[in-house]
Amino acid sequence: NAGVMQNPRHLVRRRGQEARLRCSPMKGHSHVYWYRQLPEEGLKFMVYLQKENIIDESGMPKERFSAEFPKEGPSILRIQQVVRGDSAAYFCASSPQQDSGANVLTFGAGSRLTVL
Amino acid sequence: QQQVKQSPQSLIVQKGGISIINCAYENTAFDYFPWYQQFPGKGPALLIAIRPDVSEKKEGRFTISFNKSAKQFSLHIMDSQPGDSATYFCAASMGGNMLTFGGGTRLMVKP
Repeated sequence: NAGVMQNPRHLVRRRGQEARLRCSPMKGHSHVYWYRQLPEEGLKFMVYLQKENIIDESGMPKERFSAEFPKEGPSILRIQQVVRGDSAAYFCASSPQQDSGANVLTFGAGSRLTVL
Repeated sequence: QQQVKQSPQSLIVQKGGISIINCAYENTAFDYFPWYQQFPGKGPALLIAIRPDVSEKKEGRFTISFNKSAKQFSLHIMDSQPGDSATYFCAASMGGNMLTFGGGTRLMVKP
């Protein structure tokens, strides 16, 4: 059981480039959540996805950010035209079933994005 | 109304002492209150959680106290150990996994 796998662990981008962060949920988990952690702050919910469906994206910035969880392969958080304010740790979490009460939410180790 | 306020921001405790971290919330629709522990470079890991139908939950050295009328809950770490040094986050949700996190408390336990 490899847990929630995120890659890359560290990513450096220049302003205006694109960042793609990948998340493979735990085996048997079909629900994925993305959270963002700014330096010295708590995590902020971004988006909740099931396979091929976005369930809730109320925490996603309206522009430049998108997420997907295809039928095959990992979930991807995509940030277009990155700006310095996008520098943060992006955490993916997964659970085995819909809103199971959060007691089985497992986080990955995070992807740390630095925008130069 | 979605905010969860956490205090203190940092805490230094001697080995064997009690660490106490407090959180307050506004949204009365919250009905699930977990605490997460995060070590540097790692993701948060669930430590202990409580629902509002109980006032206290204990697991080993970790206890959550919950005051529904005051809309406050706290984490107590008894007999704190250097290995407990980490950042602790309280969180709340309306039953699901879309958690609202507090700002975090950086705990240092001195040997």
